[in-house]
Amino acid sequence: DIQMTQSPSFLSASVGDRVTINCKASQNINKYLNWYQQKLGEAPKRLIYNTNNLQTGIPSRFSGSGSGTDYTLTISSLQPEDFATYFCLQHNSLYTFGAGTKLELK
Amino acid sequence: VQLVESGGGLVQPGKSLKLSCSASGFTFSSYGMHWIRQAPGKGLDWVAYISSSSGTVYADAVKGRFTISRDNAKNTLYLQLNSLKSEDTAIYYCARGLGAGYWGQGVMVTVSS
Repeated sequence: DIQMTQSPSFLSASVGDRVTINCKASQNINKYLNWYQQKLGEAPKRLIYNTNNLQTGIPSRFSGSGSGTDYTLTISSLQPEDFATYFCLQHNSLYTFGAGTKLELK
Repeated sequence: VQLVESGGGLVQPGKSLKLSCSASGFTFSSYGMHWIRQAPGKGLDWVAYISSSSGTVYADAVKGRFTISRDNAKNTLYLQLNSLKSEDTAIYYCARGLGAGYWGQGVMVTVSS
């Protein structure tokens, strides 16, 4: 089974900051990596699919990159509505989520 | 796209429950579907997937206890949960497509005596 190691678990940042969240797979996942945002009490929302494809309606300040085993979600300029928890999901071989990153206001 | 889960509730350990996910706004029969769960205060845990042709795969933690199925005539996805354990307590979400692009709001399942 593929394991996903997501880092950091917690991240404190300010409005306007650039932040990055990372996911590392235990083996090559061929760019089959999605990113989700979840706000308290809500269902997760897909932001990015297959490493770097922006979901329709998601602001362009969100971007994804990576290959092989290492993947990154970047938020270029944090907005107040971006403070949430973020998860990665690999779907190359079955499905495995990262443990999540809670992004908090500094 | 709309996905609405139902059927959750409080159930005793060892008992059964059947969840439903009613789909609308897209051609349900053309998409694979997932069940994904989230224990209170925890991360996301993939449970099962059924393809558009009804092929199925399961997480090891639920294999042999849970069954995913679909009724394309009713635009509905199901999850039969048998031999429930306390660790199955979670919000259960259905999600559309191989890449889990759209999710329902979830339904709570509590396993407790």
